[in-house]
Amino acid sequence: KQEVTQIPAALSVPEGENLVLNCSFTDSAIYNLQWFRQDPGKGLTSLLLIQSSQREQTSGRLNASLDKSSGRSTLYIAASQPGDSATYLCAVSSGAGSYQLTFGKGTKLSVIP
Amino acid sequence: SQTIHQWPATLVQPVGSPLSLECTVEGTSNPNLYWYRQAAGRGLQLLFYSVGIGQISSEVPQNLSASRPQDRQFILSSKKLLLSDSGFYLCAWSPTDRVELFFGSGTQLSVL
Repeated sequence: KQEVTQIPAALSVPEGENLVLNCSFTDSAIYNLQWFRQDPGKGLTSLLLIQSSQREQTSGRLNASLDKSSGRSTLYIAASQPGDSATYLCAVSSGAGSYQLTFGKGTKLSVIP
Repeated sequence: SQTIHQWPATLVQPVGSPLSLECTVEGTSNPNLYWYRQAAGRGLQLLFYSVGIGQISSEVPQNLSASRPQDRQFILSSKKLLLSDSGFYLCAWSPTDRVELFFGSGTQLSVL
């Protein structure tokens, strides 16, 4: 059974700092990995999708990497801003025909002005 | 572009009352549709998914049911709510050719 872990559960950084959020998964046979952002009381916003054949994806100040062999993904946020404060979740899909994504419990990020 | 609408945003219901949450997707056809529940400290739990009209798969036994009466409409229902049904319910869709999810804004359900 796939398990996804995100450590730390919460992170507080000063504005302007570069930071890395971690996601680890137990079964390396994944189809893809998706990073989301969730603001309090809101739905999840898709940030980046990495296919299993890819090593990384970039969108603006965000860069996500994937290392299947070690069961890890990282989300790098450059030059953090207070508006980046949110909970960040990762989710893995175990197959093209599988509709079950396994989610981590998220890392709550606070960027202090 | 595709958009997903989910309503209501907040709902307070007494125990034993019925439930109907609705979700619609625009700008795409034949999407895969999902209902998730998010409970504090427990993460996201897949409740139902659908790959087509009238096709519903349930991931966990529960007091809830789902229906897909139209291609881009997904409904979550209950005949009699329990206290344990309280939570944050999220509808999502994905294209048919890949598992990439896009979520609605969620419904906070409180059963009292």
